[in-house]
Formats: sequence, C-alpha cells, structure tokens
Amino acid sequence: GNSVTQMEGPVTLSEEAFLTINCTYTATGYPSLFWYVQYPGEGLQLLLKATKADDKGSNKGFEATYRKETTSFHLEKGSVQVSDSAVYFCALNKGGSEKLVFGKGTKLTVNP
Amino acid sequence: GAGVSQSPSNKVTEKGKDVELRCDPISGHTALYWYRQSLGQGLEFLIYFQGNSAPDKSGLPSDRFSAERTGGSVSTLTIQRTQQEDSAVYLCASSSSGTSTDTQYFGPGTRLTVL
Repeated sequence: GNSVTQMEGPVTLSEEAFLTINCTYTATGYPSLFWYVQYPGEGLQLLLKATKADDKGSNKGFEATYRKETTSFHLEKGSVQVSDSAVYFCALNKGGSEKLVFGKGTKLTVNP
Repeated sequence: GAGVSQSPSNKVTEKGKDVELRCDPISGHTALYWYRQSLGQGLEFLIYFQGNSAPDKSGLPSDRFSAERTGGSVSTLTIQRTQQEDSAVYLCASSSSGTSTDTQYFGPGTRLTVL
C-alpha cells in the first residue's frame, strides 16, 4: 500500500542553522506530495506541495523537490528561526481514494 | 474567508457513552475528510465525503463509528459506546473538489477524552 517514511525526531537546531527533514514514499504511479506543519497549540496547515515529478514547492523559506527517481520529498531551509519550531508532517495523496497518507511527524525545536 | 470549524473543541465523556463531533467545512468545498491524531497511531484517515456521499469509509475503525454529511456542507462524526482507545484528536478537513492535487484545509480539531 501507499506509505510515507520521514526521519524521526526530535530535531534540535540553533537559530540560523540549515535544516533538512528527510521524507521518502512508497506509492504506485504519481502521487501528489505535501508538507504540513503544526505549530504549538495550532491546527495542521499546508506548508508546501508538489504535484508532479521535478516540481519544487516553496513557502516561508522552506523548499522541497519531488524526486521520482529516489521517491523522496525532503524538506529544507537554509536558515531556521525560533518561530519555525513545530511538528512537520510529510504526506502523499495518490488519488483514487483522495485521502492523505501521513508520515509520523518530525518535531523541530530551534533554540536562540 | 472563514476556515474549517469544528465543535466542540474538547469533549470529555465516560466509557460507553455516545458522542457527536461536528465539522463545518469551507463554504463551497465539495470534499470533506475526517482524520484522527493520536500519539500511538499518528494521523489516520477515517472517511471521505464527496458531496453527501462517502465513497471511501475504509478508515473507520469499527462499526461503532459512523458519519454523515447533509446539504453538501456540515458533517457529523458519531462514536457509539465510546472506549478508552477512542481518545484522540479528531480532525476535519475540506478541499475544493477532492482531487489528489487539491490542498486539504484542516480545522482545529476536537480533543476527545474517554474516561
């Protein structure tokens, strides 16, 4: 079946450090790929998405590129801020059933 | 505009009682989803509505769980004879047309605690 594997946390970084959160997926065909973020005390919100191979999603300084050859969608940010502290979820939507399949989430803490 | 809203925000109930959770999607969104989030299981899909029909209810964990959607808008998730393992945050999401490329917009969730 369809599944998402993302690096386990927690991840702790200092402000202005480089961030990578790895995400790989298993699916037949061409799923759409998403990163959602959950800030403390808040609901899930879309961070970025890519709907076809080689697309790059970007938002708030975060980027992720849909790599079909490696079935990956790694999240990166060049310089994290304290306000980026949150839980990040990688997800796919294969279509046919239209549901999101989520990874287990990665908790990021950024210290000043 | 208004986002997805859910009520109640918190619900504490006793084992064996029935509960109803409500979701108001973004106006005009034809697709509506229910998920639940728990520490042990992460984020799990429960059911998907397109209009008032539910073409995918594969994630409902048992026949104690049911959901309906009326008028292509509000949805209610009902859990009968609640058990302690039902304790979780229940999330509702909506999207404009329900295709795989659509963004799903999530509500704030209902935290259910079964004592």
